[in-house]
Order: sequence, then structure tokens, then C-alpha cells
Amino acid sequence: EAGVVQSPRYKIIEKKQPVAFWCNPISGHNTLYWYLQNLGQGPELLIRYENEEAVDDSQLPKDRFSAERLKGVDSTLKIQPAELGDSAVYLCASSQSRGGLANNEQFFGPGTRLTVL
Amino acid sequence: QKEVEQDPGPLSVPEGAIVSLNCTYSNSAFQYFMWYRQYSRKGPELLMYTYSSGNKEDGRFTAQVDKSSKYISLFIRDSQPSDSATYLCAMSLGGYQKVTFGTGTKLQVIP
Repeated sequence: EAGVVQSPRYKIIEKKQPVAFWCNPISGHNTLYWYLQNLGQGPELLIRYENEEAVDDSQLPKDRFSAERLKGVDSTLKIQPAELGDSAVYLCASSQSRGGLANNEQFFGPGTRLTVL
Repeated sequence: QKEVEQDPGPLSVPEGAIVSLNCTYSNSAFQYFMWYRQYSRKGPELLMYTYSSGNKEDGRFTAQVDKSSKYISLFIRDSQPSDSATYLCAMSLGGYQKVTFGTGTKLQVIP
């Protein structure tokens, strides 16, 4: 079974430029998460999707960040314009979110490491 | 004060040692407690989860939760060089819908 796929793996941009990250979840997983992980920190939730619907985006800085999950499968996270403080790893995760706790295990992708110069 | 506190390490131990990793938390409503392992340049992977207080064992790994003290632990027996990674504690109010992570403890097992 293929895992969560993210691209690109690495991205270097100059501040004020736009950037987009793509995530393909595990087949059949209806819940998709985007996390931000700063160096030496744990992941912090940015947004959670249940199918096509963003059910928790309270931590997403909406002035510059946007996300979409068309057709309830792939998702894209965008930053426009990027700032120096956005340098971090952006992780995507997916889960089935049905049944008991064991079915809700989140599977993480390898992340996209963003560097803003 | 952060909801979840975890010593960032690094923790360096010889191969075969028993490793103890710990977290404290402030929100007494947390019900589900998890440990993730994250290798360098990889995403976190779930090692173990427990519900409420008690112990859970899986091979060389034992997870322990003490809700009265708001303290959780992960013990690794007979540590191996392949255990070298960052270990993140995590907890949730319900299931996996919203998970709060610790900062992670970097572990190095020396052959």
C-alpha cells in the first residue's frame, strides 16, 4: 500500500513569493490534515478536511495561507506571499476516521521542507 | 505554559540500555495518549497509543500513563541503534481528531 505522497520534498524561495505544496493521501482515507513543524518542535495542525470540507481551519493564517481539497482526494496548501518565518516543514497526514481509535491512526507523509530567503 | 511539555534532549545511551522518555501535560481532559517516532527527514509514525491511565506493552516498548500526575512515559528495553530517532508524545481529547504534540526528544543509541 502506497503511503502519503507529498511534493515537492524541498523548496527554496525568496520572501514575498508564492509557494504551493501538494499532498496525495492514502487511498480510501477520507480525512486529510496539514501540519506545520518548526525545527525542534512537534507538528501543529493547520487544517483538517473531512472529504471536501474543511472542518477545522482555526489555526490556518488565512491572510496568507489557503488550502483546497477538490473531489475529496488530493490537497494543495498555498502560501502567498511567503515570509521568512514560514520556513519550516509542512506535513500532510491522512486517516480513515471511522470506527474506533485504531481506525483513526494518522499516517504522515515525508513533508515538504520550505526555506524562505 | 505549553499544554504538553517534553525534554528535547538529546539523549544518548549505549546499545542495550533501557531508555525512559517522558512528557507532562496540563489539560486534564486529555483521554488518548500516543507516542510517535520520527526519523530524520521523515514524517512521524505512530508507535503506540493508550486510552486513559495504565500500561501498555508492545515488544520492547512500554507506554505508561499516570493521569493523576498528568505524566506519561515511554520505555524502550534493549535499545538498538535503529531506535535512534526523535520521539514525540501526543495526546488528544477524543480519538485522533485533534492531536497536541510535544516538542520531541531526540534519542541516539550508540553501538
